[in-house]
Amino acid sequence: GESVGLHLPTLSVQEGDNSIINCAYSNSASDYFIWYKQESGKGPQFIIDIRSNMDKRQGQRVTVLLNKTVKHLSLQIAATQPGDSAVYFCAENTISGGYNKLIFGAGTRLAVHP
Amino acid sequence: DSGVTQTPKHLITATGQRVTLRCSPRSGDLSVYWYQQSLDQGLQFLIQYYNGEERAKGNILERFSAQQFPDLHSELNLSSLELGDSALYFCASSVVSGGETQYFGPGTRLLVL
Repeated sequence: GESVGLHLPTLSVQEGDNSIINCAYSNSASDYFIWYKQESGKGPQFIIDIRSNMDKRQGQRVTVLLNKTVKHLSLQIAATQPGDSAVYFCAENTISGGYNKLIFGAGTRLAVHP
Repeated sequence: DSGVTQTPKHLITATGQRVTLRCSPRSGDLSVYWYQQSLDQGLQFLIQYYNGEERAKGNILERFSAQQFPDLHSELNLSSLELGDSALYFCASSVVSGGETQYFGPGTRLLVL
């Protein structure tokens, strides 16, 4: 069935290091992917997105990579800062019941240590 | 600030009661989505409305219902509340109806005692 999962439930990194958060998706027809950041007690916040006709997209300190061959999505955060500590969700857009639907992964907690 | 507003921020009630959560989407957005997030869990999609009409249903209990009004704000009604309904409830909005970014509100934290 449709599902989006994450390889690592918790990721601990040192401040200044680069972080990589991974996500696997199962629906090869999914055409749009989003990464969200959720800080404690807050709503998910859009970070970056990518469409299936691309394999890489860069933002400010963040890069999303899409590998459609193995149905894998990753979020890279450069020079990780304490403010990056949060839970990160990937989401894929797929068609279900005739409508576009975002399916969210379970989330990865990123802990940044000084 | 995403532009999506939700009220109230916190709600404490007792089992068996009924509550209403309110959401105002971003200006110009026609779709509203409701999600439930239990402690340290992912986002469970409940229901979507587009321009006043129900568009998609997820894992929404029969005790729960929602509607979207002509001014596009939405309400989620939770009735016969149980302890297990305690969770964060998020509203999100998007411009049209899927295939694009959803912007989330700050959530309503519901505690059922």
